[in-house]
Amino acid sequence: GAVVSQHPSRVICKSGTSVKIECRSLDFQATTMFWYRQFPKQSLMLMATSNEGSKATYEQGVEKDKFLINHASLTLSTLTVTSAHPEDSSFYICSARSGGTGETQYFGPGTRLLVL
Amino acid sequence: DQQVKQNSPSLSVQEGRISILNCDYTNSMFDYFLWYKKYPAEGPTFLISISSIKDKNEDGRFTVFLNKSAKHLSLHIVPSQPGDSAVYFCAASGGDSWGKLQFGAGTQVVVTP
Repeated sequence: GAVVSQHPSRVICKSGTSVKIECRSLDFQATTMFWYRQFPKQSLMLMATSNEGSKATYEQGVEKDKFLINHASLTLSTLTVTSAHPEDSSFYICSARSGGTGETQYFGPGTRLLVL
Repeated sequence: DQQVKQNSPSLSVQEGRISILNCDYTNSMFDYFLWYKKYPAEGPTFLISISSIKDKNEDGRFTVFLNKSAKHLSLHIVPSQPGDSAVYFCAASGGDSWGKLQFGAGTQVVVTP
């Protein structure tokens, strides 16, 4: 149980385009989803917290207009990187938490984004 | 401000022996702690957790110890297996960070034959 999927697993795009990443909880309802970013050889950095049916809460320093988050259902959250630039190239990982799992977060496999 | 610290960036251990990973935290309001394992280019996999009301939790080869007075926790893996070679992250939540996880920098474990 507690499986989280992400799509796509890898994406290459041109500078200036927008990229959408999907995060799905496959076998449980996720009241809260989180989006992280990981740079090489560094820890996971929380970008935002997404609650179903409400606006996402962004961490300090994360541009909400650049990283659009939508949590339209209890099993799906999307992160859209708008007008992507090379510095947005990174590994993006989502996690999901349900009321039944307490504070444990279950992570997706991650999405590698490369902006040319 | 790094509230969760893993001071050992790497650990090498022989197959069959015990791996001990350490984690320190500064926020006394943290009340839930987790360990995750991560392979390159993959998401973290949940291993084991412990609530602050306990000082030990065991699951198969994995045991987590919590010392609240020292604000220290450790993960013991015994016996270590080659498939355990990965980066291990310590995470904590509670207080102002309730619901969010604060991660340590990770420890790279290499299990040698």
